[in-house]
Amino acid sequence: DAKTTQPPSMDCAEGRAANLPCNHSTISGNEYVYWYRQIHSQGPQYIIHGLKNNETNEMASLIITEDRKSSTLILPHATLRDTAVYYCIVRGSGGGADGLTFGKGTHLIIQP
Amino acid sequence: KAGVTQTPRYLIKTRGQQVTLSCSPISGHRSVSWYQQTPGQGLQFLFEYFSETQRNKGNFPGRFSGRQFSNSRSEMNVSTLELGDSALYLCASSFLEAGNSPLHFGNGTRLTVT
Repeated sequence: DAKTTQPPSMDCAEGRAANLPCNHSTISGNEYVYWYRQIHSQGPQYIIHGLKNNETNEMASLIITEDRKSSTLILPHATLRDTAVYYCIVRGSGGGADGLTFGKGTHLIIQP
Repeated sequence: KAGVTQTPRYLIKTRGQQVTLSCSPISGHRSVSWYQQTPGQGLQFLFEYFSETQRNKGNFPGRFSGRQFSNSRSEMNVSTLELGDSALYLCASSFLEAGNSPLHFGNGTRLTVT
C-alpha cells in the first residue's frame, strides 16, 4: 500500500496559490518526499523532492514539516495548465518496491 | 537530453497473444521501473531493474516479465494476454535505484486487448 495520504480532489482559482497537502506519518529518516503530476494520457512529470529542508524550483515549492510527517506542495500562481493529478510518494535510500508505489493522488482543478 | 522513450505508443492485441514493450531510459540512467495504469487501480508497480538485475517486483502474475540490457534499455513482456491487461504501461528511469534520484517517466504504451 502507498505510504502517503492525499485528498482525492481540490479546486483552486486561476492566479492563486495552490497548496496540496500530503500526509506521510510513517516516513523514516532516510526517505525523500517526491511530488509528481500527471496530465491525462501522459506519463507522470517530476516536480520536486526534498528530505527535510524546504525546496523551491521553477515549478513549485515544497514545504516539509519539522517532524517530516507531512508536506505541502505549493504552485505559486496556478494556471489552467496546472490542472492534473498530483502524486506524493516517499522514496528511501535503501530502495525497495515501497518507494515506487503511487497512491490515488489529488486531482487538482484550476478554475478560470 | 532526450527523455524516456517508449515504443510502440499504441498497440492492439487479441486475447491469448503475447506482447513486448520497449523502453529506452535517459542516457546515463541505470534504473528502469515499469508501471501499469488503469482507471480503476491507478498506477501499479510492476518491477524495477538496475544494472540488468531485477531488484523489486510488484504483485503481478508470472505472465508479466521483463529484462534489462547492458545499455540499460528495458523490455517487458506479457504472455497469454487477458482483457484485463488493457492499460497504459509506463516506464520510468532514474540514475540510482532509490533515494535522492528522481524517476523520469515516458508517455507510455497504451495496450488494448480485444
